[in-house]
Amino acid sequence: GDSVTQMEGPVTLSEEAFLTINCTYTATGYPSLFWYVQYPGEGLQLLLKATKADDKGSNKGFEATYRKETTSFHLEKGSVQVSDSAVYFCALRGGGGGSNYKLTFGKGTLLTVNP
Amino acid sequence: GAGVSQTPSNKVTEKGKYVELRCDPISGHTALYWYRQSLGQGPEFLIYFQGTGAADDSGLPNDRFFAVRPEGSVSTLKIQRTERGDSAVYLCASSSDSRGTGELFFGEGSRLTVL
Repeated sequence: GDSVTQMEGPVTLSEEAFLTINCTYTATGYPSLFWYVQYPGEGLQLLLKATKADDKGSNKGFEATYRKETTSFHLEKGSVQVSDSAVYFCALRGGGGGSNYKLTFGKGTLLTVNP
Repeated sequence: GAGVSQTPSNKVTEKGKYVELRCDPISGHTALYWYRQSLGQGPEFLIYFQGTGAADDSGLPNDRFFAVRPEGSVSTLKIQRTERGDSAVYLCASSSDSRGTGELFFGEGSRLTVL
């Protein structure tokens, strides 16, 4: 079946540092890929997505590129802020091992950004 | 309402008791999902409703778990004879896409603790 493996945390950075959170996936088909973010005390929110190979999703300074050859969707941001402190989840949908409506999530990565 | 609302936000119960968790989706959203997030894990799919019917309940772990959505809006997740292993955060999400492939909007979750 489909699966998502993401970098284990926690990750602690200083403000303005560069962020990478690695994510790789296993799927039999051609999934759509997502990054969700969960800020303290809030529900999961969609951060960005990419629906086909070589697509780049971007939002709020975060970017991730759908790399089919390496089955990866790494999340990056050039300069993190304290307000980026949250748990980040990589996810896929429609990978062939599941349905087109079912999300498969990684375990999440806790990011803490210090001033 | 403005977002997906879940009640209660916290529920502590004793092993063997019956529990109901409620989800009030965004008005007009036809698709509704339940996910379960155990400690240190990403959310895992439980059930998907399209309108009043459960289109896919393959993620329900066993027959102690049941969910309803009688009028195509509010949904209730019911857990009978709770066990300590049921302790988790139960997430509800809704979507306006009738195919179930649109963006999901998540509630803040109901944290269930079974003593």
